[in-house]
Amino acid sequence: DTGVSQDPRHKITKRGQNVTFRCDPISEHNRLYWYRQTLGQGPEFLTYFQNEAQLEKSRLLSDRFSAERPKGSFSTLEIQRTEQGDSAMYLCASSLSNATNEKLFFGSGTQLSVL
Amino acid sequence: GQSLEQPSEVTAVEGAIVQINCTYQTSGFYGLSWYQQHDGGAPTFLSYNALDGLEETGRFSSFLSRSDSYGYLLLQELQMKDSASYFCAPSAGYQKVTFGTGTKLQVIP
Repeated sequence: DTGVSQDPRHKITKRGQNVTFRCDPISEHNRLYWYRQTLGQGPEFLTYFQNEAQLEKSRLLSDRFSAERPKGSFSTLEIQRTEQGDSAMYLCASSLSNATNEKLFFGSGTQLSVL
Repeated sequence: GQSLEQPSEVTAVEGAIVQINCTYQTSGFYGLSWYQQHDGGAPTFLSYNALDGLEETGRFSSFLSRSDSYGYLLLQELQMKDSASYFCAPSAGYQKVTFGTGTKLQVIP
């Protein structure tokens, strides 16, 4: 297993366009997270899945953001009508959820630039 | 809800010891994890404390006091490559993992 992989690594788009990112978690991991990170800040929680069920979506997230994990394996994050404020690193992480210890494995991220 | 507090920046000399503190407030607390993130890289897991006391892993140790809602990461024999951001992250059972703004450690010669 090569770990968590994200595609693409970089995305440049024009304001108003839609973008979609993909995350392939570690195969046996049942939990998958999406975070957003800007310079000097910690990873900001966006949403997470347990298998194919989306357990929570950040209240700070607008309706332009949607995520899916259709078969409990890979996940996609779509941003519609992108804005310049969406420019950030989008990180995916997966874990084998455990009531006492949850260790997250992160992908390398997708760097989004909205022009 | 959850709140986390860490110093925003710490500077230490190569070869020295540095302690990065974390105070937290979260319901249903299970344990405290630490992650390291180098500039331009993704966070990587460092350690986890479920019980009070010190856990040692090589040059890094992590401490937890559940009664004080407090933990710290101790880095010994600092190396230049330890310059990075460090995040504490409480685990709360089956709730999501969230991060604060972290501590940026700068190691100087």
